[in-house]
Amino acid sequence: KAGVTQTPRYLIKTRGQQVTLSCSPISGHRSVSWYQQTPGQGLQFLFEYFSETQRNKGNFPGRFSGRQFSNSRSEMNVSTLELGDSALYLCASSIGTSGSSDTQYFGPGTRLTVL
Amino acid sequence: QKEVEQNSGPLSVPEGAIASLNCTYSDRVSQSFFWYRQYSGKSPELIMSIYSNGDKEDGRFTAQLNKASQYVSLLIRDSQPSDSATYLCAVNFISGYSTLTFGKGTMLLVSP
Repeated sequence: KAGVTQTPRYLIKTRGQQVTLSCSPISGHRSVSWYQQTPGQGLQFLFEYFSETQRNKGNFPGRFSGRQFSNSRSEMNVSTLELGDSALYLCASSIGTSGSSDTQYFGPGTRLTVL
Repeated sequence: QKEVEQNSGPLSVPEGAIASLNCTYSDRVSQSFFWYRQYSGKSPELIMSIYSNGDKEDGRFTAQLNKASQYVSLLIRDSQPSDSATYLCAVNFISGYSTLTFGKGTMLLVSP
């Protein structure tokens, strides 16, 4: 079974621009979660989508948004980029209906650099 | 604020030794716990999950959970240089949601 895929793998943007990242989950998985990883803060939860609905949201500003399509693929968007948005953005997929035992599998990540 | 705490390390062990990685969490009602391994420049890779008190073994890895003490650990037996990585402890604090809270990870260095 193919794993989680993320595109693009690397991005360089300048302050003020916006960016869209894409994630395709494992076949059959309906939940997609997004995380931001930085050296200082570690892995932080951004949001989770399940069946095209945002099910949970972390403590990030409104510049960070996402959506999920009917085929479970998900995109996240960051508008008005700031230098501090430079990070590894990770997408994780899971079945989404296993309750607390739901297991997440990570994609390779998108490395975003904001200049 | 629900938190997951790990010693950042590095934890240095010689090849063949047992590496012991520890994690504490803040919410007594948490139900599911995960260990991920992350090599430098790569994404996290699931090692094990554990949901009940006690030990769970998978090959050279053993996860231990003590909910009363809010403590979860990972033992790596016969450590190999290829085990050198950052180990992330993750807790699902919210039942019904696929949301993980991660510790900042412990770097493990296994010397030949």
